[in-house]
Amino acid sequence: GDSVTQMEGPVTLSEEAFLTINCTYTATGYPSLFWYVQYPGEGLQLLLKATKADDKGSNKGFEATYRKETTSFHLEKGSVQVSDSAVYFCALGGTGGFKTIFGAGTRLFVKA
Amino acid sequence: SAVISQKPSRDICQRGTSLTIQCQVDSQVTMMFWYRQQPGQSLTLIATANQGSEATYESGFVIDKFPISRPNLTFSTLTVSNMSPEDSSIYLCSVGDKSTYNEQFFGPGTRLTVL
Repeated sequence: GDSVTQMEGPVTLSEEAFLTINCTYTATGYPSLFWYVQYPGEGLQLLLKATKADDKGSNKGFEATYRKETTSFHLEKGSVQVSDSAVYFCALGGTGGFKTIFGAGTRLFVKA
Repeated sequence: SAVISQKPSRDICQRGTSLTIQCQVDSQVTMMFWYRQQPGQSLTLIATANQGSEATYESGFVIDKFPISRPNLTFSTLTVSNMSPEDSSIYLCSVGDKSTYNEQFFGPGTRLTVL
């Protein structure tokens, strides 16, 4: 079945460091790919999305490119801030029905 | 984007009791979902709430334990019945529409602790 695998956390970075959180997927058909973010004590928010191969999603300085050849959707940010501390979930959807498959989540800590 | 509210935001309950969680959306939506997020874990889909018919439950979740109502296109409830400490989790409501490629909008969650 469809699945999402993302790097285990926690990831601890200093402010202004470069961030990469790896995400790979297994899916039949042509899924849409998402990154969601969960700040402490809150629900999930959509951070960015890509709906077809080679699309790049971007928002708030974060980027991810839908790579069909490597079945990946890695999240990157050039310079993280303390306010980026949160849990990040990679997800896929649209392969059948309306279910979304979530990865395990990666907790990011950014130190001042 | 849809704005979703959940009530209560948190609760502490005794073993053997039941709690009903409400989810209200500010616009009519096609799909509504209920998830469970256990401490430090990812999201697990409990069921899809269908308007005008019975909810569709995922493997491992049953209607007797998690009855769901969806009387209209903007409102749903999830009841956690006969609770045990293992039910302590965050319960999240989300909505989606097939026209937006399965993008989902989430409520703030209900943090449940069962003693």
